Amino acid sequence: QMQLQESGPGLVKPSETLSLTCSVSGGSISSSSYYWGWVRQPPGKGLEWIGVIYYTGTTYYNPSLQSRVTISLDTSGTQFSLKVSSVTAADTAVYYCARRTPRANWFYFDNWGQGTPVTVSS
Amino acid sequence: QSALTQPASVSGSPGQSITISCTGTSSDIGSYNYVSWYQQHPGKAPELMIFDVSNRPSGVSHRFSGSKSGNTASLTISGLQAEDEADYYCLSYTGSGTEVFGGGTEVTVL
Repeated sequence: QMQLQESGPGLVKPSETLSLTCSVSGGSISSSSYYWGWVRQPPGKGLEWIGVIYYTGTTYYNPSLQSRVTISLDTSGTQFSLKVSSVTAADTAVYYCARRTPRANWFYFDNWGQGTPVTVSS
Repeated sequence: QSALTQPASVSGSPGQSITISCTGTSSDIGSYNYVSWYQQHPGKAPELMIFDVSNRPSGVSHRFSGSKSGNTASLTISGLQAEDEADYYCLSYTGSGTEVFGGGTEVTVL
């Protein structure tokens, strides 16, 4: 059973870059079967789709975040990462990494990390 | 892309059925049958409950069902139970590889 775990700084200063890593155990992110993605949830608010990456390196980003977001695969084959540049307080949220699995006609998030809280504050 | 529209809250008594709507546009829900629903209990990660509009992953109770009409998708919970009290989110493909969540609905079991 694959497991995902987010890691990274819990506090980031405004205007700096937020960097998170998702470690995948029990499988390889190089598999052609899955996409890997990030979702965030500001305190007391709903879920926001950030973006996904395929094993080929192809990425898709939320248009509202595209200019500040980068998702990449680690060469180790067991991690992928998220970078959000020029952060503000609005980027304060719990960040989840998740696996998207093909089911019938499309891909769906069916395996999630526990989430890691990130606060943007000076 | 704007978030899909869901009611902020829905409530029902144990044993009753409730329906949560998720309204989008002709560019997302109206164009694709790639709609999913997630359940999230407080402090926990979301869990996939419905995919491809109306399919249940193995292990999800048959009390959960999904449907779609035009630009609106719906999640129905039958035989409401205390354990169903949670937040529910819809998610739809919007084209060009991207997706958008609904604003979320808090379900309360009275």
